[in-house]
Amino acid sequence: SAVISQKPSRDICQRGTSLTIQCQVDSQVTMMFWYRQQPGQSLTLIATANQGSEATYESGFVIDKFPISRPNLTFSTLTVSNMSPEDSSIYLCSVKRDLTGELFFGEGSRLTVL
Amino acid sequence: GENVEQHPSTLSVQEGDSAVIKCTYSDSASNYFPWYKQELGKRPQLIIDIRSNVGEKKDQRIAVTLNKTAKHFSLHITETQPEDSAVYFCAVLMDSNYQLIWGAGTKLIIKP
Repeated sequence: SAVISQKPSRDICQRGTSLTIQCQVDSQVTMMFWYRQQPGQSLTLIATANQGSEATYESGFVIDKFPISRPNLTFSTLTVSNMSPEDSSIYLCSVKRDLTGELFFGEGSRLTVL
Repeated sequence: GENVEQHPSTLSVQEGDSAVIKCTYSDSASNYFPWYKQELGKRPQLIIDIRSNVGEKKDQRIAVTLNKTAKHFSLHITETQPEDSAVYFCAVLMDSNYQLIWGAGTKLIIKP
């Protein structure tokens, strides 16, 4: 499986601030995704991070709130902007293995907004 | 679009017994069906998957069966152990955009 490093692993933030989460993969991958997981819930796809172009956002998620960068095939960032307590969640980076299509996850970033 | 339903939401079994979790989907064109295990506070881990060209796949105590005609697939865990306690998610890959659609999850509790 791919080695995916995600940081920070957790953070406590103040309302109105922004936080950037980083995701580093040990090999080049075409497709990277960002998910959100509320406590006790399933995974919700925020967006697909496209290398060299704008991310593709799912319904309910917008670029102004969740800007994403994908400067190369091994790295991506997700920013949670102007945070509110409703943004408290676990944010997960995931990559799709090009040959097999299997999806692997980073360790997640647990965000608490006060 | 694709819809994935997963049952039960909670499953409690005696240690050593078998556990079965079922998922149904709506898009008959889907061809890839993974299962993930998520322990408390950890990331989801891929434990087994199946593609539409086979009906069953087994890996030690874990097996997955697929019925493409009925559009359902199931996870089977035999000889359950305490470390099997976790939340299990099924997922279905949409051929149209290569995205996974997730089930709601099943909390599996293994009673000693």
